[in-house]
Amino acid sequence: DAGITQSPRHKVTETGTPVTLRCHQTENHRYMYWYRQDPGHGLRLIHYSYGVKDTDKGEVSDGYSVSRSKTEDFLLTLESATSSQTSVYFCAISEGQEGFRQFFGPGTRLTVL
Amino acid sequence: QQPVQSPQAVILREGEDAVINCSSSKALYSVHWYRQKHGEAPVFLMILLKGGEQKGHDKISASFNEKKQQSSLYLTASQLSYSGTYFCGTEGAAGNKLTFGGGTRVLVKP
Repeated sequence: DAGITQSPRHKVTETGTPVTLRCHQTENHRYMYWYRQDPGHGLRLIHYSYGVKDTDKGEVSDGYSVSRSKTEDFLLTLESATSSQTSVYFCAISEGQEGFRQFFGPGTRLTVL
Repeated sequence: QQPVQSPQAVILREGEDAVINCSSSKALYSVHWYRQKHGEAPVFLMILLKGGEQKGHDKISASFNEKKQQSSLYLTASQLSYSGTYFCGTEGAAGNKLTFGGGTRVLVKP
């Protein structure tokens, strides 16, 4: 199994508070991704990174920011959490070569009250 | 735009076959298939590249029709372990990022 961890695994917070989720990898893969998963919507890409300090937006990036200061860590921040951001968040990594496959972390369940 | 998967759900008896379809409105470079068990992370099954051949993984195989921008996943002689939600992920010309379909829930009964 690919070495990907996410922290925290569960979090309950209140509307308006900042939240940061962490994804850590030990595979030295170039690409890292943040997805959210909601019933009926599958997996939707929030942001992704193709190298240290290189990031780009996905299809549902509003209300989220990311940072990658080291190859192994990719942080997702909700500046001011809203109830619509209640979801399960998955991090994924990829080598980024042709025919790349993505390996997913265990997920973080976030509840915004 | 999100690819469309069909059917949304399917119930099988052990040993039966099923087909899951994934259709995109955009030109595709590759199609990925993942399976997710309840409460777990998605797990990679296979990838089909433009110009590539049909892939297989045990008795699960898939095809990719580039002209129609469609892929199909074939579950043959299904086993209880095949239960879960199957997602297709499509990669367009931009590369290195996927757009996932809404998923197909598969339940295999004894």
